[in-house]
Amino acid sequence: DSGVTQTPKHLITATGQRVTLRCSPRSGDLSVYWYQQSLDQGLQFLIQYYNGEERAKGNILERFSAQQFPDLHSELNLSSLELGDSALYFCASTLSGVENSPLHFGNGTRLTVT
Amino acid sequence: ILNVEQSPQSLHVQEGDSTNFTCSFPSSNFYALHWYRWETAKSPEALFVMTLNGDEKKKGRISATLNTKEGYSYLYIKGSQPEDSATYLCALNSGGYQKVTFGIGTKLQVIP
Repeated sequence: DSGVTQTPKHLITATGQRVTLRCSPRSGDLSVYWYQQSLDQGLQFLIQYYNGEERAKGNILERFSAQQFPDLHSELNLSSLELGDSALYFCASTLSGVENSPLHFGNGTRLTVT
Repeated sequence: ILNVEQSPQSLHVQEGDSTNFTCSFPSSNFYALHWYRWETAKSPEALFVMTLNGDEKKKGRISATLNTKEGYSYLYIKGSQPEDSATYLCALNSGGYQKVTFGIGTKLQVIP
């Protein structure tokens, strides 16, 4: 158990809808990362927060947004969903920087858009 | 766009064989190289974080080396066991930012 909690585990929704994925980092970790894994693709970096502030951004679509709250949990909001957004979404946390510390991954949220 | 490349993409070995995989990355602005092991239906688990050129790390039968000047890292597994079957990911932290870019992974299957 990595100590990172993601909810829900599975989500099935229709095109055009909006969903929120939630992540609670390991106790004491300040940094949260979001990754997307689509079929036959590697982990694609979406966005990173550190202590409530956005620090790095990947190829995150404008329809997607995220935030990290004062209690350090994070939410990834996906709106105007398309079939291609179906993927496994991972959250990972680390104490501060990844130059010395590994990422600790949650179990992921599997999103299916129908 | 950072290209983190891993080879081979998949590999089948017999139980007891030793094996190794490669991770290649741009050598400029290097900060750290991570290795993760990802078993089916689980989440990736960290193996190593490597920062120094020439660094070698070991965890049981698994070890890794790092060459930041030429931009590659090797992961070795000695005496492969069926429980080593997993996808092995490398990931690069570069440029002083916190972004971590993953390769697509090497999928290892160890045949009993």
